Amino acid sequence: EDKVVQSPLSLVVHEGDTVTLNCSYEVTNFRSLLWYKQEKKAPTFLFMLTSSGIEKKSGRLSSILDKKELFSILNITATQTGDSAVYLCAVVSNSGYALNFGKGTSLLVTP
Amino acid sequence: EAGVAQSPRYKIIEKRQSVAFWCNPISGHATLYWYQQILGQGPKLLIQFQNNGVVDDSQLPKDRFSAERLKGVDSTLKIQPAKLEDSAVYLCASSVTSGGTDTQYFGPGTRLTVL
Repeated sequence: EDKVVQSPLSLVVHEGDTVTLNCSYEVTNFRSLLWYKQEKKAPTFLFMLTSSGIEKKSGRLSSILDKKELFSILNITATQTGDSAVYLCAVVSNSGYALNFGKGTSLLVTP
Repeated sequence: EAGVAQSPRYKIIEKRQSVAFWCNPISGHATLYWYQQILGQGPKLLIQFQNNGVVDDSQLPKDRFSAERLKGVDSTLKIQPAKLEDSAVYLCASSVTSGGTDTQYFGPGTRLTVL
């Protein structure tokens, strides 16, 4: 059975700190890994990663995938209170294409 | 570009009642997904449609849940009869194709409370 494990489950930091969120996975016929940010209801797309070692970057957020060690990290630098959210990691296999999500990391950025 | 639309946004019912949710995907998106997100968990796939055909419904509790996408656009998800453990947010998502490299875009969800 496919498995996605995120850590930590929750995190509290001060504004300006840098955080690293982890996602490890076990999936048959891996196709891609995605990161989403969920603030209230709908998850919003951040990154899709398919190749090892290639960093995706958007502003203060960046992510990288290691297909050999089966994990990905999401980095947020110079955190702001608006970064407070649940960050979800999901993997897609070649057999179904639906997203298989982890439980998420709840991030709280305090002023 | 309009996003994925869902209604209602909130629904409160008593156990054993029935309920239906509606989803309108992004125009041109052939693939539609329904996910169930229980508090504190990541979303879990219930059913995936490609146009009006079912691709995967292996995790849909078929004794009480049903879904359809008759014309390959809008979709409805029904629960009959509801149980307490069905309390969750029901998320609809769509993507251009089902190729696995297309981004899935989510609607705002419907929060269901079963009393």
